[in-house]
Parts: sequence; C-alpha cells; structure tokens
Amino acid sequence: GAVVSQHPSWVICKSGTSVKIECRSLDFQATTMFWYRQFPKQSLMLMATSNEGSKATYEQGVEKDKFLINHASLTLSTLTVTSAHPEDSSFYICSARPRDRENQPQHFGDGTRLSIL
Amino acid sequence: RKEVEQDPGPFNVPEGATVAFNCTYSNSASQSFFWYRQDCRKEPKLLMSVYSSGNEDGRFTAQLNRASQYISLLIRDSKLSDSATYLCVVTVFSGGYNKLIFGAGTRLAVHP
Repeated sequence: GAVVSQHPSWVICKSGTSVKIECRSLDFQATTMFWYRQFPKQSLMLMATSNEGSKATYEQGVEKDKFLINHASLTLSTLTVTSAHPEDSSFYICSARPRDRENQPQHFGDGTRLSIL
Repeated sequence: RKEVEQDPGPFNVPEGATVAFNCTYSNSASQSFFWYRQDCRKEPKLLMSVYSSGNEDGRFTAQLNRASQYISLLIRDSKLSDSATYLCVVTVFSGGYNKLIFGAGTRLAVHP
C-alpha cells in the first residue's frame, strides 16, 4: 500500500534553532501534502496544505513565516520550524494521498516529535 | 463549539466486552467520514470509512446518521490489542481541498 515516510522521528534542540522535517511519499506521487500538529491529549490540527510547485496554504492562526513549507517535487514536502521555542514543542505529522485520488483516505507519516529546550 | 466532538473517555473494559463510541460533527457540508486509531506517540491509522448504510469490518461496525450529524463505532469482543485512542474524522471541502477535521479522540483501555 501507499507509504509516507517522515524524517526525523524525534528532535531535541535548543531554543532559537530552526528545524526541518521531511515528508516523502515513497511509492506514489502527491500534488498535495498536509501538515498537522498535535499537542498532548488534543486533536490533530491542520496547519497547512503543501502544494507542489506553488505556495502553501496556511490555516488561520498559523504563521507562514514561522512554519516554512516547501514542496519541491511530487514526492517531497518539507516543513521548517524557524527559530523554534518551547511552545513549538509538539508532534508534527504529514499526510498525503496519491494525486488524482481525491476520494481515497490520506496516508500519514510516522510523525516527528519536536522538543525545544 | 468544536467541529468534531467526542467523549474523551477513558473507557476501561474487560476483554470480550462490547464498547460503543459516539461522535458528533458541526459542519453539515462534511463529505466523508472515518474512524482512525492512534496508539500512544504514533501516527493515526485508518480503521474504517463510515457510510450512511452502515458498514462492518470484522468486530468493528460503524454507522453514520447525516440528519443528526452523528457517527458511531461499535467494537465487539474487545481484545487487549484494541487499547488505543479512536479518532473520529470528517472531511470538509475548503480552500480547494478536502481537509481532514479530527476529533480529540476517545481512549479505550481493554484489560484482562
């Protein structure tokens, strides 16, 4: 089945560091990928929709200059948390579905647990 | 009001029990409906889609009532391995995309 790989799975770094998270679709092409954030005991919240070859679409309240998204190819999207602070510590998850398969469920990456000290 | 509401639980049940989870959603334009399972510190995994006609997959039965904007999941003959958080998810077409809206999840703990 369709597989989405996310890297790294765990990051611990100092406040002020920028952290890049990669999301790859391994056996399918994805025009669109989605980035979510989940705080403990809360829902997954959609942060932004990543579009291959164009700008990402951010949800209300998500700072686009803070969370930089690049979708350079049909199999790779990256999320960079710039100048991360402790309040950015969270579980970040990406998802994707094969292009032209809008009715299929999304496939999720393994998630990245980010801890900012 | 949250877009997708679930009872957070936890539901603590013995092996073999039948347990039911409920979910309500606020957006009547929601198009697709799913139950996902999420284990601790892991990504969510699709359990099953939910249809108005009701659908069953082994020990799991899901039901959708569009008029009431209500979704349910029934688990029969609970196993220890069923212990997880169950997420109710709907899709909404917004900004040109079908977006997933997640509930906060209902925790299930199955004990021997």
